[in-house]
Amino acid sequence: SAVISQKPSRDICQRGTSLTIQCQVDSQVTMMFWYRQQPGQSLTLIATANQGSEATYESGFVIDKFPISRPNLTFSTLTVSNMSPEDSSIYLCSVEGAELGGKLFFGSGTQLSVL
Amino acid sequence: GENVEQHPSTLSVQEGDSAVIKCTYSDSASNYFPWYKQELGKGPQLIIDIRSNVGEKKDQRIAVTLNKTAKHFSLHITETQPEDSAVYFCAATRGGSYIPTFGRGTSLIVHP
Repeated sequence: SAVISQKPSRDICQRGTSLTIQCQVDSQVTMMFWYRQQPGQSLTLIATANQGSEATYESGFVIDKFPISRPNLTFSTLTVSNMSPEDSSIYLCSVEGAELGGKLFFGSGTQLSVL
Repeated sequence: GENVEQHPSTLSVQEGDSAVIKCTYSDSASNYFPWYKQELGKGPQLIIDIRSNVGEKKDQRIAVTLNKTAKHFSLHITETQPEDSAVYFCAATRGGSYIPTFGRGTSLIVHP
């Protein structure tokens, strides 16, 4: 498995501001992803974080709202921009790859509340 | 694309009873089926998984079964304990893909 550290673990933000979430992995991983989990809901993939290039976004998610960086094989950031109360969710970093036996592992998540 | 249905949405059992959560999938090309446990305030934790070349896998009190013909798979927890209380998610991954499709989750409540 992998040890995945996410910061912050929770935050309360004002409408219209932006928050950057960091994800640090203890070893190099092939794939890094960002998921959103709205209250009481399942896991929705936001995007695949690609090292050294633009992230690949899923339908319904755009770069202007959720810019993502991945400067190397152990670190990624997700920014939630111009936040509204509808952005209140848990945001999860996850990793996968052959080095992990093809298994998907999640970080502990960031609980975001937007007022 | 893949569609994963999970039932029940809520399951309440007495400590010591067994619990079964069922999932169905639609894409016959799916070949990897993980199960995750999510406790309150935490990220999902991989607890067991099965690949399509295996019909059953067991790890202590938990087991997963897979019926490829019927396209369904199930999680079995025996001798449930209060610490088993959590939300459980099933998922199905298509061969060659890194991205699973998740079920909607089952909230398991184990009463002492």
